Amino acid sequence: GENVEQHPSTLSVQEGDSAVIKCTYSDSASNYFPWYKQELGKRPQLIIDIRSNVGEKKDQRIAVTLNKTAKHFSLHITETQPEDSAVYFCAPRVDGTASKLTFGTGTRLQVTL
Amino acid sequence: NAGVTQTPKFQVLKTGQSMTLQCAQDMNHNSMYWYRQDPGMGLRLIYYSASEGTTDKGEVPNGYNVSRLNKREFSLRLESAAPSQTSVYFCAITRTLGETQYFGPGTRLLVL
Repeated sequence: GENVEQHPSTLSVQEGDSAVIKCTYSDSASNYFPWYKQELGKRPQLIIDIRSNVGEKKDQRIAVTLNKTAKHFSLHITETQPEDSAVYFCAPRVDGTASKLTFGTGTRLQVTL
Repeated sequence: NAGVTQTPKFQVLKTGQSMTLQCAQDMNHNSMYWYRQDPGMGLRLIYYSASEGTTDKGEVPNGYNVSRLNKREFSLRLESAAPSQTSVYFCAITRTLGETQYFGPGTRLLVL
């Protein structure tokens, strides 16, 4: 089954700095790469995703980059704000199949003033 | 348009009691999932239903059963609750398998 690892497990940055979270996966057939954000006590919500035919995608302060050869993808947050404080999960998938539906273990991001 | 709803929001059980967690969606999505999230941990898949009439085991199915009642509803049953099942349970849906997941608000379960 899919083996998914996230690094780092915790990350503390000052407001305005950038944050990068890396997700490494094992299934080379994975072709859909989403990132979810979970605020304290809330449900996970999709913040950005990318498919295997694209190397990078950006949405305002958030971007995702994909390296299929090395089997990892990363979440980049620029100009961090206190509301970015949350746990972030990656969840690589083989789109449209009944493959193992595995989430990463999560990265707790703390943005300090 | 509520999206994904879960009932109850919070439940306390004694060891050995049974209960059913309910999940309903109004997004006309085909696939539905049950996850558990233990404190400080990630999401682990319990069961999923690729489409109406089908269910499959996930990573941690022991101690649980599911029913895909119709396209809208997917329930999770604990036949004999154990303290190890204390967790937050999330229902999720996708249009088809493997796509973007939309989560319900969660059910907090405490088993004493």
